[in-house]
Amino acid sequence: GAVVSQHPSRVICKSGTSVKIECRSLDFQATTMFWYRQFPKQSLMLMATSNEGSKATYEQGVEKDKFLINHASLTLSTLTVTSAHPEDSSFYICSASYESSYNEQFFGPGTRLTVL
Amino acid sequence: GQQLNQSPQSMFIQEGEDVSMNCTSSSIFNTWLWYKQDPGEGPVLLIALYKAGELTSNGRLTAQFGITRKDSFLNISASIPSDVGIYFCAGDPASGTYKYIFGTGTRLKVLA
Repeated sequence: GAVVSQHPSRVICKSGTSVKIECRSLDFQATTMFWYRQFPKQSLMLMATSNEGSKATYEQGVEKDKFLINHASLTLSTLTVTSAHPEDSSFYICSASYESSYNEQFFGPGTRLTVL
Repeated sequence: GQQLNQSPQSMFIQEGEDVSMNCTSSSIFNTWLWYKQDPGEGPVLLIALYKAGELTSNGRLTAQFGITRKDSFLNISASIPSDVGIYFCAGDPASGTYKYIFGTGTRLKVLA
């Protein structure tokens, strides 16, 4: 149980284009989803928290117009990196939790974004 | 952003040895989670701790929530090659937001 998927697993795009990453909870309804960014050999940095049907809460220093988050249903959240640049290249990971999960977060497999 | 201090940063051990790693903070935490991450994958939850002093096991893994609520440790007994990976602690600050702060990670390498 508590399986989270992400799509795509890898994406390469040209500078200036936008990229959408999907995060789905496969066997539970996710009341809250989280988006993280991870640079090589570093820890996970929380970017934003989203609850179904409401606007995402962004962490300090994360541009909300750059990283658009939509949590349209209890099983799907999307992160769109707009006008991507090489410095946006990173490993993006989502996690999800549900009401009775006692604050535990279940992670997706991650998406490797490379911006040329 | 804020991070937890995790040590050691990396370690090489022989197969069969026991391993210990810990996380410390200057702040109090409500919940501690321990994750393992393989290269190119998302973290997988190993153990969750909810109360100060709690000691929980999951197979060969044992973790404890420190009495002061500012630290936690993870032990792996009789390590095997598939224990290789990066181990992260994550703490939920006493803020009620359920936003976890992640440790800096311990990279474990097991020599067969």
